[in-house]
Amino acid sequence: DTAVSQTPKYLVTQMGNDKSIKCEQNLGHDTMYWYKQDSKKFLKIMFSYNNKELIINETVPNRFSPKSPDKAHLNLHINSLELGDSAVYFCASSELAENSPLHFGNGTRLTVT
Amino acid sequence: GNSVTQMEGPVTLSEEAFLTINCTYTATGYPSLFWYVQYPGEGLQLLLKATKADDKGSNKGFEATYRKETTSFHLEKGSVQVSDSAVYFCALMPQAGTALIFGKGTTLSVSS
Repeated sequence: DTAVSQTPKYLVTQMGNDKSIKCEQNLGHDTMYWYKQDSKKFLKIMFSYNNKELIINETVPNRFSPKSPDKAHLNLHINSLELGDSAVYFCASSELAENSPLHFGNGTRLTVT
Repeated sequence: GNSVTQMEGPVTLSEEAFLTINCTYTATGYPSLFWYVQYPGEGLQLLLKATKADDKGSNKGFEATYRKETTSFHLEKGSVQVSDSAVYFCALMPQAGTALIFGKGTTLSVSS
């Protein structure tokens, strides 16, 4: 019973392509997130949704577009992929209550060639 | 602004050695503090947390105390095992509904 699941686990594609990463959580959480982890392991928040509404949108190129069809899903679509987009992308979820920890998926390793 | 600073790694220890990974933070207000662990090829897992000054979080032999006066949340373990080898992230949540802000992570390698 995976709490936060992401697909695919690995994604290899060429520059200029468009790709999507899917995320689903079965924890009943209200809030979902996308984080990017670079090659030096640094984690940076990209987006956060609460009940399908965008609440955090960090400085991310507009080639990245999150979509939340319902509060259990938060997908990430990336247009016109660039070499610098290569990273591991993590989905996470949490309750909106104060101090609630985030639960992370296992990540999607994106390689752009 | 809000930020987290962790000691640079990698940290290399022998089994049963004492571990300290330093973490300091800058925040407005009263953030909650967390330690997450990432094992190779996996996502991050919550290790422990503390929500107010002088709270001590503990789990699996790891401990960290929320020190407001020194703005620190150092991670300690008395006797590390090979299975503790992983990347450890200190993080803060400024307030409810905001995203976690992570430190850069510290890689721990424990040899037998």
